[in-house]
Amino acid sequence: DTEVTQTPKHLVMGMTNKKSLKCEQHMGHRAMYWYKQKAKKPPELMFVYSYEKLSINESVPSRFSPECPNSSLLNLHLHALQPEDSALYLCASKQLYGTVNYGYTFGSGTRLTVV
Amino acid sequence: AQTVTQSQPEMSVQEAETVTLSCTYDTSENNYYLFWYKQPPSRQMILVIRQEAYKQQNATENRFSVNFQKAAKSFSLKISDSQLGDTAMYFCAFMTEGAQKLVFGQGTRLTINP
Repeated sequence: DTEVTQTPKHLVMGMTNKKSLKCEQHMGHRAMYWYKQKAKKPPELMFVYSYEKLSINESVPSRFSPECPNSSLLNLHLHALQPEDSALYLCASKQLYGTVNYGYTFGSGTRLTVV
Repeated sequence: AQTVTQSQPEMSVQEAETVTLSCTYDTSENNYYLFWYKQPPSRQMILVIRQEAYKQQNATENRFSVNFQKAAKSFSLKISDSQLGDTAMYFCAFMTEGAQKLVFGQGTRLTINP
């Protein structure tokens, strides 16, 4: 299995809703990432988990809450979002051991619309 | 801080032509990795090609090759015999040895016309 799977692919939520994005990989990668991407822009890093521990939080508002329950799964819990949070949310993973850096493997993203 | 610059916001070529996408970067590190990612309208970021800075030989992957000039901090992507399926946003990216963060350029939107 060489994929990162993200669900759902599309999500529309109201500003008072609570929802979660899910990301799963079975490649044995021990670093997992959440990125936010606006149209025609590069991805912006939100969070990094290394060995299931949060290692980087890029000053993301608390209405985004990440969780890494195990080495294969990464969640992003959403609450009280704003319309400007509408974007493509990408999950990625990376191998942490070994001497060769193969870069990230990305999922196909969740297109989030906040209404 | 490391930065990556892609100076061509958009490019357009005819099918079967060769096209070169430019990328420059700035770093004081000596050991690092460079990547080109492709993002088609389907949204998934796909790794096209990678280069280790300590390797002088330019990486190639089928129709894709790079021109890596370490002294000039330049990392251009050449696509030969371009195909309609190459239409996508292309991002150049940089990662320092041992780092967890991938630094992206602003992207080049490439359109292959029939």
